[in-house]
Amino acid sequence: QQQVKQSPQSLIVQKGGISIINCAYENTAFDYFPWYQQFPGKGPALLIAIRPDVSEKKEGRFTISFNKSAKQFSLHIMDSQPGDSATYFCAAAGGYNKLIFGAGTRLAVHP
Amino acid sequence: DGGITQSPKYLFRKEGQNVTLSCEQNLNHDAMYWYRQDPGQGLRLIYYSQIVNDFQKGDIAEGYSVSREKKESFPLTVTSAQKNPTAFYLCASSSPPGQVTGELFFGEGSRLTVL
Repeated sequence: QQQVKQSPQSLIVQKGGISIINCAYENTAFDYFPWYQQFPGKGPALLIAIRPDVSEKKEGRFTISFNKSAKQFSLHIMDSQPGDSATYFCAAAGGYNKLIFGAGTRLAVHP
Repeated sequence: DGGITQSPKYLFRKEGQNVTLSCEQNLNHDAMYWYRQDPGQGLRLIYYSQIVNDFQKGDIAEGYSVSREKKESFPLTVTSAQKNPTAFYLCASSSPPGQVTGELFFGEGSRLTVL
């Protein structure tokens, strides 16, 4: 089964700091690499996504860095805020928009 | 407001019973998906459907069944054959069908507990 490996499992960051979450994938037949944010008791929501022919994408405080040769991508959250405390999932999207998700990272931003 | 409605939010079931989870969307999306979420394992695909009256197994379809009789509805039945059904179930949709965007719109989930 194709896998997406995500690390760390949990992360604690001080307010104003940078949160970094890493993912690695095994298959090259993916068309998009999205990141989802999930709050307790809610469904995940798309945060930001990148195509494999782009090395970096930035939206506000959120940046995806993509390394195609290493099959790795990461999410950087700049100036982390307590409201960013949530679980973050990386994913790889292939045919029929089926997503393979990483195991998730629980982020806690302390004031 | 457009979105995906899942019901019930919480459900308790005795072992050996089938249970059906409802998923309705008013986004006019053609594609719909069911994922299962377990702590520390991310989301895993159970079934997906690109058009009405057609659906495909995902990675963990054993013990589950679905139907797609209407575009806006994609119910999931958790059968007694599912060995470990206690989980958080998420329904999602996307559009247009067959196009890879990486974007799924999720409902708020149904938490099933088997007693």
